[in-house]
Amino acid sequence: DTAVSQTPKYLVTQMGNDKSIKCEQNLGHDTMYWYKQDSKKFLKIMFSYNNKELIINETVPNRFSPKSPDKAHLNLHINSLELGDSAVYFCASSQANSWRYFGPGTRLLVL
Amino acid sequence: EDKVVQSPLSLVVHEGDTVTLNCSYEVTNFRSLLWYKQEKKAPTFLFMLTSSGIEKKSGRLSSILDKKELSSILNITATQTGDSAIYLCAVVYNNNDMRFGAGTRLTVKP
Repeated sequence: DTAVSQTPKYLVTQMGNDKSIKCEQNLGHDTMYWYKQDSKKFLKIMFSYNNKELIINETVPNRFSPKSPDKAHLNLHINSLELGDSAVYFCASSQANSWRYFGPGTRLLVL
Repeated sequence: EDKVVQSPLSLVVHEGDTVTLNCSYEVTNFRSLLWYKQEKKAPTFLFMLTSSGIEKKSGRLSSILDKKELSSILNITATQTGDSAIYLCAVVYNNNDMRFGAGTRLTVKP
């Protein structure tokens, strides 16, 4: 059974569009995260969210917004996509301060 | 500025060699240090270290944290070609902030 799943796996879109990436975890974890992997394979935290608090990395443009309909989901919505948004985005979850389980990643390409 | 630095950035060895990967950090309110192995897909978890001086071991891999030196090492003995990957160090600090290092790209040649 998949622990952390993301959809879609690949996303190709035009500049200026709005898109969402979905993330679901079936581990019962209380915290979920979004990371962006840059060209150097560096994973940068974008958001961490539990049912009490959303923590936003201040370097993330406000075009990016996390939306959590329930504890098992944390979706990433991106407005007005730019070329520089092209990257692989990873969702992850953890229980409190334990290790992260990562999703398979979503490869976003903005044309 | 909070940072996590890994060295070396890349490493090429032959099967059977032993390698040591380094991770040093400067963060506020350190909570834990994590090692991941990343191949083509998402990073897979290796170790979580919270206490200094206690070695974690899994097969040919082992890791230890030195809080005094603000660093950790990941050892891989008797390397195999399947060990080729990017090894990521990540530090959890403050309230769930998590910062990754740039990774060490390990290539194991037959």
